[in-house]
Amino acid sequence: ETGVTQTPRHLVMGMTNKKSLKCEQHLGHNAMYWYKQSAKKPLELMFVYNFKEQTENNSVPSRFSPECPNSSHLFLHLHTLQPEDSALYLCASSQNEDTDTQYFGPGTRLTVL
Amino acid sequence: GQNIDQPTEMTATEGAIVQINCTYQTSGFNGLFWYQQHAGEAPTFLSYNVLDGLEEKGRFSSFLSRSKGYSYLLLKELQMKDSASYLCAVRDSNYQLIWGAGTKLIIKP
Repeated sequence: ETGVTQTPRHLVMGMTNKKSLKCEQHLGHNAMYWYKQSAKKPLELMFVYNFKEQTENNSVPSRFSPECPNSSHLFLHLHTLQPEDSALYLCASSQNEDTDTQYFGPGTRLTVL
Repeated sequence: GQNIDQPTEMTATEGAIVQINCTYQTSGFNGLFWYQQHAGEAPTFLSYNVLDGLEEKGRFSSFLSRSKGYSYLLLKELQMKDSASYLCAVRDSNYQLIWGAGTKLIIKP
């Protein structure tokens, strides 16, 4: 029970589809993160939001578009993805950016055909 | 470049003790984290070390040596439910988290 939820848990999409991943945290945290987790590779930080403002974009392709309407919700909009984008996408939150422990959601398993 | 090294996979026996090592080379150091991740689930926070020494939390302990760039996670009285991946992460001088690829721990009866 982490207090961070993600939907959907599984997603299969074609390369021409548009879909969105949703993350919600119930911990009262101010910072939220998107990570990509591929098999046998380290977690890759994609985006960071602090108090709804984007503070980090780790050279992520524009086919991934984040949105943070408030401190509790984070979206990742997907369009024209590639098969190599297939991975587990994890959302995390922390009380404050940089200095606090991050708590993770269960992830969305994305498969791009 | 920045690097975190941990073994890819380890096997241990139920009831035994296992030590998972993590070595790091980062630009600065502002703490080291261990997370547990069961297959298909969220990584869950286990421990945080920022000073040298041993931090004990029930069956799990984590050790840090900053001068050696080294940490280990010690799991005692292993249970089948401890089968999971264990992720090591270091916070660098820019407060960025640098992650290892994880160690898959297999527990056998």
